[in-house]
Amino acid sequence: EPEVTQTPSHQVTQMGQEVILRCVPISNHLYFYWYRQILGQKVEFLVSFYNNEISEKSEIFDDQFSVERPDGSNFTLKIRSTKLEDSAMYFCASSEVTNLYGYTFGSGTRLTVV
Amino acid sequence: DQQVKQNSPSLSVQEGRISILNCDYTNSMFDYFLWYKKYPAEGPTFLISISSIKDKNEDGRFTVFLNKSAKHLSLHIVPSQPGDSAVYFCAAGGSGNTGKLIFGQGTTLQVKP
Repeated sequence: EPEVTQTPSHQVTQMGQEVILRCVPISNHLYFYWYRQILGQKVEFLVSFYNNEISEKSEIFDDQFSVERPDGSNFTLKIRSTKLEDSAMYFCASSEVTNLYGYTFGSGTRLTVV
Repeated sequence: DQQVKQNSPSLSVQEGRISILNCDYTNSMFDYFLWYKKYPAEGPTFLISISSIKDKNEDGRFTVFLNKSAKHLSLHIVPSQPGDSAVYFCAAGGSGNTGKLIFGQGTTLQVKP
């Protein structure tokens, strides 16, 4: 079964440092997403990406965040200057279309900002 | 953003019995609803979905019911098995065309042998 692959599984970084979280979506999927889950809270939408541009972003996704599809397979989330409150599980997801089928999530990257 | 709510943080049922997980929403523009199962340290795994034009969808032991007038959906698991123990999230999508999903807070289901 096709998978969404995320690396690293766990990243520890110092406050103020830049981090890049990496994702390999399912190869024939066209829509890509980042979500996050702060410990004990719900899964929150960050950003959706289609046709090489952001199609929607949440209030959380401020100027410190950016996404990129640098080649045909990777999809990255960059946080420029991490804060303590950025500590969370970050999930990448992809879908072939935007309907009730086919959203597949990766296993997540646990980001710990110290 | 409280557009999707799961008011029960936890549910405990006996193996073999029915598990009913509930979800309420406020935005009548949602086109579809999905249920995800999540284990610790893993990503959400898709279980079952329903279009807003349907009132029921069934897949094996899992059935989702949608009551649009009440803006309420529920997931029934029959019979429940210990392996079903996990956090269950309902999610709603389609109010725009970007694929964004809005999740509820999750309900932790424990199925006791």
